[in-house]
Amino acid sequence: DSGVTQTPKHLITATGQRVTLRCSPRSGDLSVYWYQQSLDQGLQFLIQYYNGEERAKGNILERFSAQQFPDLHSELNLSSLELGDSALYFCASSASQTEEAYEQYFGPGTRLTVT
Amino acid sequence: AQKVTQAQTEISVVEKEDVTLDCVYETRDTTYYLFWYKQPPSGELVFLIRRNSFDEQNEISGRYSWNFQKSTSSFNFTITASQVVDSAVYFCALSRGGADGLTFGKGTHLIIQP
Repeated sequence: DSGVTQTPKHLITATGQRVTLRCSPRSGDLSVYWYQQSLDQGLQFLIQYYNGEERAKGNILERFSAQQFPDLHSELNLSSLELGDSALYFCASSASQTEEAYEQYFGPGTRLTVT
Repeated sequence: AQKVTQAQTEISVVEKEDVTLDCVYETRDTTYYLFWYKQPPSGELVFLIRRNSFDEQNEISGRYSWNFQKSTSSFNFTITASQVVDSAVYFCALSRGGADGLTFGKGTHLIIQP
């Protein structure tokens, strides 16, 4: 158990809908990362937050957005869903943000299926 | 741009054999960080090791060992005396540091047959 929690574990929804994925980082971790894992694209970095502020963006679509709240939990919002958005979405957290890259601890993931 | 290549898509060995998973990376940064993660059939990603670009010492942890060679831009992972429980997909990843997310390779699916 990494200490990172994600809800829900599974989500099935229809095209065009909007969903919210939730993540709670390990106790004491201020950085939260979101990743997407799909068969064709592999594991891709989406976005990172540190103590409530967006710090880095990866291959995140404009239909996707995220935020980190004062209690440090984070939410990833996916809208106007398409079949291709079906994937495993991971949240990860790390100890702090300095110039170094600390190891990221991953949650169990949310399996999103768009029908 | 950063890139991680894991050329071995799938490896199958018999239990107790040694196996090496290859990882080759590309980066223009002088400071960078390399990682290995394990994804067992249950799906979670488990952190195995972090190495920064200034530390080329090889590392051993039990049956696991890692060989970092900057000259060939490689960070290979060896499992000695493999066990069925080692069956998983193994990912190599690269980061610039700071807020940068991880750039993952495509992964190597390791199958350990009893």
